[in-house]
Amino acid sequence: NAGVTQTPKFQVLKTGQSMTLQCAQDMNHNSMYWYRQDPGMGLRLIYYSASEGTTDKGEVPNGYNVSRLNKREFSLRLESAAPSQTSVYFCASMVGVGETQYFGPGTRLLVL
Amino acid sequence: GENVEQHPSTLSVQEGDSAVIKCTYSDSASNYFPWYKQELGKGPQLIIDIRSNVGEKKDQRIAVTLNKTAKHFSLHITETQPEDSAVYFCAAKARIGSQGNLIFGKGTKLSVKP
Repeated sequence: NAGVTQTPKFQVLKTGQSMTLQCAQDMNHNSMYWYRQDPGMGLRLIYYSASEGTTDKGEVPNGYNVSRLNKREFSLRLESAAPSQTSVYFCASMVGVGETQYFGPGTRLLVL
Repeated sequence: GENVEQHPSTLSVQEGDSAVIKCTYSDSASNYFPWYKQELGKGPQLIIDIRSNVGEKKDQRIAVTLNKTAKHFSLHITETQPEDSAVYFCAAKARIGSQGNLIFGKGTKLSVKP
């Protein structure tokens, strides 16, 4: 049981480049989440998916898109990266509403 | 929507002392309050949680208390050890749509000095 996995672990992009962050969970959880973590800001929700086939915006969705590919996988795409998107990105999953969220190890993204 | 305030932002204690981190929330309908520990370079890990029908919960050296009237909850760590050094986040279940997502505090960096 790997839990929540994220790839890549670290990425450097130039302004305007695009990339997709991958997340997968093997716990058969229904809900999946993407957060960004910035110094002094805690964890802020970008997008979430309550179940396969549904996605919704969180607190800071601008500049991002997501795809819930199947129950296991939830990807986050940056179409045109900006320096303001330099951050650590965490994926999480949860079995149902109001239960424990399990986090992946994070992707550290630097946009130059 | 829900707002979670967490204090202090940094906390330094001597090994063996107790540490207390406090959080307040704004939505009286929130009913689930987890605490996460994040070690350097890792993702947050749940250490304890409490639901609104309970006032206190303990797990070995860690305890959480909840005051629904005042809308605040606290994390208590007794007999602190150097391995307790980490960033701790509180959270409250929000009501974004009907999904009950978590709103996190900004974190407390705990340093335990040997």
